[in-house]
Parts: sequence; C-alpha cells; structure tokens
Amino acid sequence: GAVVSQHPSRVICKSGTSVKIECRSLDFQATTMFWYRQFPKQSLMLMATSNEGSKATYEQGVEKDKFLINHASLTLSTLTVTSAHPEDSSFYICSPLQRGGGQETQYFGPGTRLLVL
Amino acid sequence: KQEVTQIPAALSVPEGENLVLNCSFTDSAIYNLQWFRQDPGKGLTSLLLIQSSQREQTSGRLNASLDKSSGRSTLYIAASQPGDSATYLCAVTKAAGNKLTFGGGTRVLVKP
Repeated sequence: GAVVSQHPSRVICKSGTSVKIECRSLDFQATTMFWYRQFPKQSLMLMATSNEGSKATYEQGVEKDKFLINHASLTLSTLTVTSAHPEDSSFYICSPLQRGGGQETQYFGPGTRLLVL
Repeated sequence: KQEVTQIPAALSVPEGENLVLNCSFTDSAIYNLQWFRQDPGKGLTSLLLIQSSQREQTSGRLNASLDKSSGRSTLYIAASQPGDSATYLCAVTKAAGNKLTFGGGTRVLVKP
C-alpha cells in the first residue's frame, strides 16, 4: 500500500506558540489532501480539504486563520496551528487522496499528537 | 447531514468468541463504506471497503455486510484473538474522492 508520513509524530508546545505539521505522500502524488482531528476517545472529524495549488476549504466551525493549510506540492501538505491553546491539544491525521486507474483511494498518515501546555 | 453511529461504543469478549460490530448511517446515498482499525495513539488501517453496489466483503477472519437501504453495516470478526484488540471505525463517503464521515468507533478488548 501507499506510504504516508507525518512529522512530527508528537509535539509539546507552550500556549501561544505555533506548530507546523508536515504530511508527505512518499510514493504517490496527491492532488487532494484531507486533514482530520481526533480528540481523546472520539472519532475523526474533518477539518479541511485542500487541493494542490488552491486554497483549502474548511469545515464549519474550523477557523481558517488559526489552522493554516498549505498544499504547495503534490507530495507535501502542511498544517500550522497558530497561537495554539490547550483546547487545540488533539491528534491530527492527514489523509492524501490518490487518483488513478479510475479509482480514488484515501490513505492515512500515522498522526501527530499535539499537547499544548 | 450524514451522521454515522456505531454501537456498542465498547466491547469486551474472551478470546475465541466472534465479534459483531454495528454501524448505521442516516443518509443511504453513499458511494462506499469502509471499516478501519485504529490502535491506541496510531493512525488508521483500512480493513474492508464495500462499494454501494456490493452487499459484503471478506478478508480472512473479517466479513463486512452492507444494507444500504436500511443504512446499516456490520463487521464480523471470527474467532477473536487478543491481537484484535483495537478501536474499529466505520466511515462513509457520498462520492468518489469525497471526505469520509466517521462513526464514533467501537473499542474492542479481547481477553486471553
């Protein structure tokens, strides 16, 4: 199967700082990237959808100025949590979409655990 | 708005028993349904994908059924093993390449 990496795998930061999470599709190109957030013992909730070279589309209730998404290339997307607060502590998972052969397949990164103190 | 519900939220069984996990969705206009496994603190592993035109998929000890008209899917895991302990998530999408809407998951513990 396709390989997706996320970096860092976990990060602890102070309140007010910004944190950048990288997501890479290592062996395929992803024109579309989904970013999900998962709070403890809850399911995954979609935060935003981005297409390479264009602005991301955010789900209702997700602040676009707080969660900056950059999808500048077909193999790399970044999520920056700006001015992080303790309530932003969560598990962030990227999901690149592979298109090819008439099929679309979503793969998932291993996730990044963010703890804001 | 699509809503996905998984019952039970948690399940504990002795090793060897069969597992039955339920997933229901409110909007039957789905493109496909997937079952995932998630280990604590880890990402998702896709187990089975059922297209809307299919009624079931099988992979080893896993079998998933889909009744689109009633908005239900069931994941069966035969002869459970301690290594099956994990959270199982179902998710639906309404079109190819669209976002997935996830259920809340079922946390499974298989006791040796």
